[in-house]
Amino acid sequence: GENVEQHPSTLSVQEGDSAVIKCTYSDSASNYFPWYKQELGKRPQLIIDIRSNVGEKKDQRIAVTLNKTAKHFSLHITETQPEDSAVYFCAADSGGYQKVTFGTGTKLQVIP
Amino acid sequence: NAGVTQTPKFQVLKTGQSMTLQCAQDMNHNSMYWYRQDPGMGLRLIYYSASEGTTDKGEVPNGYNVSRLNKREFSLRLESAAPSQTSVYFCANQRSNTEAFFGQGTRLTVV
Repeated sequence: GENVEQHPSTLSVQEGDSAVIKCTYSDSASNYFPWYKQELGKRPQLIIDIRSNVGEKKDQRIAVTLNKTAKHFSLHITETQPEDSAVYFCAADSGGYQKVTFGTGTKLQVIP
Repeated sequence: NAGVTQTPKFQVLKTGQSMTLQCAQDMNHNSMYWYRQDPGMGLRLIYYSASEGTTDKGEVPNGYNVSRLNKREFSLRLESAAPSQTSVYFCANQRSNTEAFFGQGTRLTVV
């Protein structure tokens, strides 16, 4: 089955700096890669996703890159703000068995 | 349009008691999931259901059973609760290769 590894597990940045979270996956059939943000005490919610036919996608301060050859994808947050503080999960989905596999999460702290 | 609804939101059980966590969706998605999330930890898959009438074990199925009697509902049962099952439980649904939607979570404490 799919295995998704996520690094780092914790990340502290100064407000205004950039943050990068990296994930690797094992199943070459995976073709959908979402990122979820979970604020304290809340449910995870999608913030951005990318499909295998695209190498990069941006949405304001958030971007995701995908390298299918190396089987890794990354989340980039620029100009971080205190409200970006949360736990971020990457995921990989092959669609075949309709089961999405999550990474272990990264706790991001943005220091004002 | 409620999306994914879980009940109850909070529950305290005594060791050995049983209970069923309910999850219902109004999004007509085939796949449904149950995860547990321990404090400061990631999401661990307990069971999932790719379609009505089918269920499969995830990473941590021991001590749990599930039921997917129809497309709308996916329940999780603890037959004999243990303190190790103290956690936050999330139900989620998904249409293949698209966003997963989570319920608001059930905070379960077993004493």
